[in-house]
Amino acid sequence: QKEVEQDPGPLSVPEGAIVSLNCTYSNSAFQYFMWYRQYSRKGPELLMYTYSSGNKEDGRFTAQVDKSSKYISLFIRDSQPSDSATYLCAMSAVAQKLVFGQGTRLTINP
Amino acid sequence: DSGVTQTPKHLITATGQRVTLRCSPRSGDLSVYWYQQSLDQGLQFLIHYYNGEERAKGNILERFSAQQFPDLHSELNLSSLELGDSALYFCASGHGFYLEDEQFFGPGTRLTVL
Repeated sequence: QKEVEQDPGPLSVPEGAIVSLNCTYSNSAFQYFMWYRQYSRKGPELLMYTYSSGNKEDGRFTAQVDKSSKYISLFIRDSQPSDSATYLCAMSAVAQKLVFGQGTRLTINP
Repeated sequence: DSGVTQTPKHLITATGQRVTLRCSPRSGDLSVYWYQQSLDQGLQFLIHYYNGEERAKGNILERFSAQQFPDLHSELNLSSLELGDSALYFCASGHGFYLEDEQFFGPGTRLTVL
């Protein structure tokens, strides 16, 4: 079993919809949680970085961490075609390497 | 644009050969991290350098080595290449000292081993 599980999709939604992306994990030592966006043939781009349980909002993006359930989410409001990309969750314990999910491929249809 | 640069963008070589990938971190960043991304394994951490010193190793093969120079650029050397080494290689940089600190990725080098 992988330490981090992420549904690879693909996920296709209409423009303007609210998108929910999720990851589950098994390592209770994970304390740092990130979301990256990766466009085709580009490097991952850091979207959100959170340390604790709860919500963090940045513009149209909200990251949610539930440590009790070992579950993290990224919500995208008012989705745009430019949001079409692969979204990677990543997490780490203190002084440990980042462990990435496999990524979810998202398409926003105009 | 993250500010991290990587060269070359593409590299095609043969089995058994040796290649060097280069990374220049963002201005002011002291940490460089190397990753390998393949379809079956996803993004895998290889190695971390901070201000010229090796800080941590991940799933890095013995055929691979890296270093960070005084001007903070880093090189990843891959030798005795095998078909399975074909992948995207990313470097990331960050201001922090720790593995869990924020990391900003470069555009990657696509390596094809024939």
